[in-house]
Amino acid sequence: GEDVEQSLFLSVREGDSSVINCTYTDSSSTYLYWYKQEPGAGLQLLTYIFSNMDMKQDQRLTVLLNKKDKHLSLRIADTQTGDSAIYFCAERFGYGQNFVFGPGTRLSVLP
Amino acid sequence: DADVTQTPRNRITKTGKRIMLECSQTKGHDRMYWYRQDPGLGLRLIYYSFDVKDINKGEISDGYSVSRQAQAKFSLSLESAIPNQTALYFCATSDSLTPAETQYFGPGTRLLVL
Repeated sequence: GEDVEQSLFLSVREGDSSVINCTYTDSSSTYLYWYKQEPGAGLQLLTYIFSNMDMKQDQRLTVLLNKKDKHLSLRIADTQTGDSAIYFCAERFGYGQNFVFGPGTRLSVLP
Repeated sequence: DADVTQTPRNRITKTGKRIMLECSQTKGHDRMYWYRQDPGLGLRLIYYSFDVKDINKGEISDGYSVSRQAQAKFSLSLESAIPNQTALYFCATSDSLTPAETQYFGPGTRLLVL
Protein backbone atom coordinates (compact mmCIF):
# COMPACT_ATOMS: atom_id res chain seq x y z
CA GLY A 1 0.00 0.00 0.00
CA GLU A 2 0.88 3.65 -0.03
CA ASP A 3 3.58 4.66 2.40
CA VAL A 4 5.17 7.90 3.56
CA GLU A 5 8.44 7.78 5.46
CA GLN A 6 10.32 10.34 7.52
CA SER A 7 13.18 10.22 9.95
CA LEU A 8 11.81 10.53 13.47
CA PHE A 9 14.21 13.06 14.98
CA LEU A 10 16.27 16.08 13.92
CA SER A 11 18.30 18.49 16.06
CA VAL A 12 19.68 21.81 14.84
CA ARG A 13 21.26 24.90 16.39
CA GLU A 14 19.27 28.10 16.58
CA GLY A 15 19.99 30.22 13.52
CA ASP A 16 20.96 27.27 11.33
CA SER A 17 18.83 25.87 8.53
CA SER A 18 16.76 22.74 9.11
CA VAL A 19 16.00 20.26 6.37
CA ILE A 20 13.29 17.70 7.00
CA ASN A 21 13.01 14.92 4.44
CA CYS A 22 10.16 12.71 3.35
CA THR A 23 9.82 9.89 0.84
CA TYR A 24 6.61 8.49 -0.56
CA THR A 25 5.69 5.54 -2.71
CA ASP A 26 2.62 6.51 -4.71
CA SER A 27 3.47 8.00 -8.09
CA SER A 28 -0.07 9.29 -8.58
CA SER A 29 0.30 11.95 -5.88
CA THR A 30 -1.59 15.14 -6.63
CA TYR A 31 -0.61 17.30 -3.67
CA LEU A 32 1.99 16.98 -0.91
CA TYR A 33 1.70 18.81 2.38
CA TRP A 34 3.72 19.79 5.39
CA TYR A 35 1.98 20.12 8.74
CA LYS A 36 3.38 21.30 12.08
CA GLN A 37 2.24 20.00 15.45
CA GLU A 38 3.20 21.90 18.57
CA PRO A 39 2.90 20.26 22.00
CA GLY A 40 -0.71 19.79 23.06
CA ALA A 41 -2.08 21.08 19.79
CA GLY A 42 -3.54 19.75 16.58
CA LEU A 43 -1.84 19.76 13.22
CA GLN A 44 -1.42 23.11 11.53
CA LEU A 45 -0.90 23.36 7.78
CA LEU A 46 2.43 24.97 6.93
CA THR A 47 2.46 24.69 3.17
CA TYR A 48 1.61 22.41 0.29
CA ILE A 49 2.90 21.82 -3.21
CA PHE A 50 1.14 20.61 -6.33
CA SER A 51 2.75 17.58 -7.87
CA ASN A 52 3.71 19.34 -11.10
CA MET A 53 5.86 21.85 -9.23
CA ASP A 54 9.51 21.44 -8.24
CA MET A 55 9.79 24.13 -5.62
CA LYS A 56 7.69 26.44 -3.51
CA GLN A 57 8.97 29.18 -1.24
CA ASP A 58 7.05 30.92 1.51
CA GLN A 59 9.08 33.27 3.73
CA ARG A 60 11.48 31.04 5.71
CA LEU A 61 10.06 27.83 4.27
CA THR A 62 11.24 26.19 1.05
CA VAL A 63 9.67 23.00 -0.25
CA LEU A 64 11.51 20.92 -2.83
CA LEU A 65 9.86 18.08 -4.72
CA ASN A 66 11.75 15.47 -6.70
CA LYS A 67 9.08 13.40 -8.41
CA LYS A 68 11.53 11.02 -10.01
CA ASP A 69 12.89 9.97 -6.62
CA LYS A 70 9.54 10.52 -4.83
CA HIS A 71 11.31 12.77 -2.36
CA LEU A 72 9.95 15.86 -0.63
CA SER A 73 11.87 18.17 1.66
CA LEU A 74 11.08 21.13 3.88
CA ARG A 75 13.83 23.64 4.55
CA ILE A 76 13.41 26.11 7.39
CA ALA A 77 15.84 29.00 7.19
CA ASP A 78 17.16 30.69 10.34
CA THR A 79 15.56 28.11 12.61
CA GLN A 80 14.20 29.51 15.87
CA THR A 81 13.27 27.85 19.17
CA GLY A 82 9.62 28.42 18.25
CA ASP A 83 10.12 26.05 15.34
CA SER A 84 10.55 23.13 17.75
CA ALA A 85 7.66 20.81 16.95
CA ILE A 86 6.74 17.63 15.10
CA TYR A 87 6.56 18.04 11.33
CA PHE A 88 4.35 15.74 9.29
CA CYS A 89 4.64 15.10 5.61
CA ALA A 90 1.38 14.05 3.94
CA GLU A 91 0.54 12.85 0.48
CA ARG A 92 -2.73 13.07 -1.38
CA PHE A 93 -3.18 10.74 -4.30
CA GLY A 94 -6.08 10.92 -6.66
CA TYR A 95 -8.92 13.25 -5.85
CA GLY A 96 -10.78 11.38 -3.14
CA GLN A 97 -10.03 11.18 0.54
CA ASN A 98 -6.74 9.49 -0.11
CA PHE A 99 -4.43 11.23 2.33
CA VAL A 100 -1.50 9.38 3.88
CA PHE A 101 0.57 10.90 6.67
CA GLY A 102 4.14 10.14 7.56
CA PRO A 103 5.13 9.30 11.15
CA GLY A 104 6.37 12.83 11.84
CA THR A 105 9.83 14.28 12.45
CA ARG A 106 10.46 15.80 15.86
CA LEU A 107 12.58 18.92 15.37
CA SER A 108 14.55 20.12 18.38
CA VAL A 109 16.17 23.53 18.17
CA LEU A 110 19.14 23.93 20.48
CA PRO A 111 20.22 27.35 21.79
CA ASP B 1 -13.16 31.02 18.35
CA ALA B 2 -11.57 27.89 16.97
CA ASP B 3 -12.88 26.67 13.63
CA VAL B 4 -12.71 22.97 14.57
CA THR B 5 -13.49 22.05 18.16
CA GLN B 6 -13.36 18.73 19.93
CA THR B 7 -14.90 17.66 23.22
CA PRO B 8 -13.75 16.45 25.61
CA ARG B 9 -10.07 17.41 25.42
CA ASN B 10 -9.09 14.67 27.83
CA ARG B 11 -10.91 11.53 28.89
CA ILE B 12 -10.12 8.61 31.16
CA THR B 13 -12.36 5.58 30.94
CA LYS B 14 -12.39 1.93 31.89
CA THR B 15 -12.24 -1.14 29.69
CA GLY B 16 -15.66 -2.07 28.34
CA LYS B 17 -17.21 1.37 28.65
CA ARG B 18 -18.87 3.10 25.71
CA ILE B 19 -17.66 6.61 25.07
CA MET B 20 -18.29 9.30 22.51
CA LEU B 21 -15.94 11.95 21.21
CA GLU B 22 -17.50 14.96 19.52
CA CYS B 23 -16.33 17.28 16.80
CA SER B 24 -17.89 20.52 15.57
CA GLN B 25 -16.77 22.89 12.84
CA THR B 26 -17.69 26.39 11.77
CA LYS B 27 -15.70 26.34 8.52
CA GLY B 28 -18.66 25.24 6.41
CA HIS B 29 -16.66 22.32 5.03
CA ASP B 30 -18.47 19.32 3.63
CA ARG B 31 -15.90 16.64 4.49
CA MET B 32 -14.94 15.46 7.97
CA TYR B 33 -12.47 12.89 9.26
CA TRP B 34 -11.45 11.08 12.42
CA TYR B 35 -7.82 10.08 12.94
CA ARG B 36 -5.88 8.55 15.78
CA GLN B 37 -2.27 9.39 16.52
CA ASP B 38 0.13 7.00 18.18
CA PRO B 39 3.80 7.83 18.82
CA GLY B 40 5.98 6.94 15.84
CA LEU B 41 3.01 5.90 13.70
CA GLY B 42 1.74 9.23 12.49
CA LEU B 43 -1.97 9.64 11.87
CA ARG B 44 -4.19 6.77 10.87
CA LEU B 45 -7.65 7.29 9.41
CA ILE B 46 -10.55 5.76 11.33
CA TYR B 47 -13.62 7.04 9.45
CA TYR B 48 -14.43 9.79 7.03
CA SER B 49 -17.59 11.45 5.76
CA PHE B 50 -17.99 13.31 2.49
CA ASP B 51 -21.39 14.65 3.46
CA VAL B 52 -24.17 13.94 5.93
CA LYS B 53 -25.32 10.83 4.08
CA ASP B 54 -21.91 9.49 3.16
CA ILE B 55 -19.88 7.62 5.81
CA ASN B 56 -16.85 5.51 4.95
CA LYS B 57 -14.47 3.28 6.84
CA GLY B 58 -10.83 4.21 7.00
CA GLU B 59 -7.74 2.17 7.64
CA ILE B 60 -8.55 1.19 11.24
CA SER B 61 -12.33 1.29 11.76
CA ASP B 62 -12.71 -1.89 13.85
CA GLY B 63 -14.01 -1.09 17.33
CA TYR B 64 -15.23 2.37 16.32
CA SER B 65 -18.41 3.84 14.91
CA VAL B 66 -19.34 7.35 13.79
CA SER B 67 -22.36 9.56 13.31
CA ARG B 68 -22.65 12.65 11.10
CA GLN B 69 -25.50 14.44 12.82
CA ALA B 70 -25.25 17.54 10.65
CA GLN B 71 -22.80 19.03 8.21
CA ALA B 72 -21.03 20.68 11.12
CA LYS B 73 -20.96 17.74 13.54
CA PHE B 74 -19.19 14.39 13.39
CA SER B 75 -18.94 12.15 16.44
CA LEU B 76 -16.79 9.10 17.08
CA SER B 77 -17.89 6.30 19.41
CA LEU B 78 -15.94 3.51 21.01
CA GLU B 79 -18.54 0.84 21.60
CA SER B 80 -16.55 -1.08 24.20
CA ALA B 81 -13.27 0.63 24.97
CA ILE B 82 -10.08 -1.42 25.26
CA PRO B 83 -6.62 -0.33 26.46
CA ASN B 84 -5.04 -0.37 22.99
CA GLN B 85 -7.46 2.39 22.00
CA THR B 86 -5.51 4.71 24.27
CA ALA B 87 -4.33 7.40 21.87
CA LEU B 88 -4.70 10.98 20.75
CA TYR B 89 -7.75 11.44 18.52
CA PHE B 90 -8.09 14.19 15.94
CA CYS B 91 -11.02 15.42 13.95
CA ALA B 92 -10.34 17.18 10.66
CA THR B 93 -12.34 18.92 7.95
CA SER B 94 -11.79 19.77 4.31
CA ASP B 95 -13.60 21.56 1.51
CA SER B 96 -14.07 19.41 -1.57
CA LEU B 97 -14.43 22.52 -3.74
CA THR B 98 -10.81 23.64 -3.21
CA PRO B 99 -8.16 21.99 -5.44
CA ALA B 100 -5.69 21.23 -2.67
CA GLU B 101 -8.44 20.18 -0.27
CA THR B 102 -6.29 21.02 2.72
CA GLN B 103 -7.33 19.37 5.95
CA TYR B 104 -7.90 21.50 9.05
CA PHE B 105 -7.50 19.82 12.40
CA GLY B 106 -9.08 20.19 15.79
CA PRO B 107 -6.94 20.37 18.95
CA GLY B 108 -7.31 16.67 19.71
CA THR B 109 -8.81 14.48 22.43
CA ARG B 110 -6.41 12.55 24.63
CA LEU B 111 -8.04 9.25 25.61
CA LEU B 112 -6.78 6.85 28.25
CA VAL B 113 -8.45 3.46 28.60
CA LEU B 114 -7.62 1.67 31.84
